[in-house]
Amino acid sequence: EVQLVQSGAEVKKSGESLKISCKGSSYNFANYWIGWVRQMPGKGLEWMGIIYPDESEARYSPSFQGQVTISADRSINTAYLQWSSLKASDTAIYYCARQGGDQAASYWYFDLWGRGTLVTVSS
Amino acid sequence: DIVMTQSPDSLAVSLGERATINCKSSQSVLYSSNNKNYIAWYQQKPGQPPKLLIYWASTRESGVPDRFSGSGSETDFTLTISSLQAEDVAVYFCQHYYWTPPAFGQGTKVEIK
Repeated sequence: EVQLVQSGAEVKKSGESLKISCKGSSYNFANYWIGWVRQMPGKGLEWMGIIYPDESEARYSPSFQGQVTISADRSINTAYLQWSSLKASDTAIYYCARQGGDQAASYWYFDLWGRGTLVTVSS
Repeated sequence: DIVMTQSPDSLAVSLGERATINCKSSQSVLYSSNNKNYIAWYQQKPGQPPKLLIYWASTRESGVPDRFSGSGSETDFTLTISSLQAEDVAVYFCQHYYWTPPAFGQGTKVEIK
């Protein structure tokens, strides 16, 4: 089954670091862009950034540039979203999602989503 | 950045009736070289991730019921549910992917009247 499987929920304190993961299966992971989307409690969707695993080329929304790091390891079909110092305002569900359309196409709508990782940060 | 604004924020529709959601972009998302509008629509039910319904403003994703349709061009777009079913209760989001950063509308909550 084509799917994205995300790592489990995390509970952290302000100032701590965190790396969450998103593993793709049953498709050519390296050649599809993988994006990250934030959903704060009861709120809408925010596009954070995206990575092309084959080249580890990442693009960021200006709102998230410098706040998070997106990376990927194509050898294990996994993308990552990382924080060096969490804030209480980072509390949210984080979704990874695969670009739609043909592989390597830079059309950044998402046709396949993970189930989300809930990150809770206490102050 | 392109800002996406949906209207209304919520609507209640009787079963079997039409639901219409609007989405306006702050600038055109029609790419002249391929004549495509870089707009997608998603459905999100409680406790679930979003699900792609429509891309290129009007192309239905495989498996999506044909009661869902998308229309519009340049800056004004519409998602229509032709005959609302109970399972369509959800929040619907539009998204542009014209350039970086892509952005979502704030969402429209659809309920049963």
